[in-house]
Amino acid sequence: NAGVTQTPKFQVLKTGQSMTLQCAQDMNHEYMSWYRQDPGMGLRLIHYSVGAGITDQGEVPNGYNVSRSTTEDFPLRLLSAAPSQTSVYFCASTYQNTQYFGPGTRLTVL
Amino acid sequence: AQSVTQLDSHVSVSEGTPVLLRCNYSSSYSPSLFWYVQHPNKGLQLLLKYTSAATLVKGINGFEAEFKKSETSFHLTKPSAHMSDAAEYFCVVSGSSNTGKLIFGQGTTLQVKP
Repeated sequence: NAGVTQTPKFQVLKTGQSMTLQCAQDMNHEYMSWYRQDPGMGLRLIHYSVGAGITDQGEVPNGYNVSRSTTEDFPLRLLSAAPSQTSVYFCASTYQNTQYFGPGTRLTVL
Repeated sequence: AQSVTQLDSHVSVSEGTPVLLRCNYSSSYSPSLFWYVQHPNKGLQLLLKYTSAATLVKGINGFEAEFKKSETSFHLTKPSAHMSDAAEYFCVVSGSSNTGKLIFGQGTTLQVKP
């Protein structure tokens, strides 16, 4: 199993641009989540999904959209990037109360 | 509501001496608690988890943590620090059962001096 994969690893955007961060897992886990990590703040939950077709907001959802059309994929969309969205983004899947994290995407918005 | 507080943002120890990273939690029901480690520019690795079984939880790399309900604490310990333990450590509480909603502490940076 590849586990949880994320692409791209690094991305630089200009303010106002849109993009999609990809996340995929091959473990058939129902639950998936997106977090952002900022210095001194730990990880904060952006959006999560308890299964295909079901998503909900986390702690910091503004400026981000998600969808879950398949069990495997959980993309995160930035509609109009802002410098405040400069962060490291982690995707995770959950099984039996244990989370499996992807390697992260480092995003810089200029 | 759940929350978690890591009492030290930075801990410095000498190699071979004990490690103590402190964590207090707040939860309206019986929580699941975790410790994760993150080495520089790396992803997150699960060290150990507590899910209402034994209160003393053993993890990888010689780490362990004790769940103390009366003190609402879940401190992480290791008898003897190694240089490779230098990293950032996160105490985490599960926001709700098995949905992937984790609430992270702010993190503790562990420095290990030779």
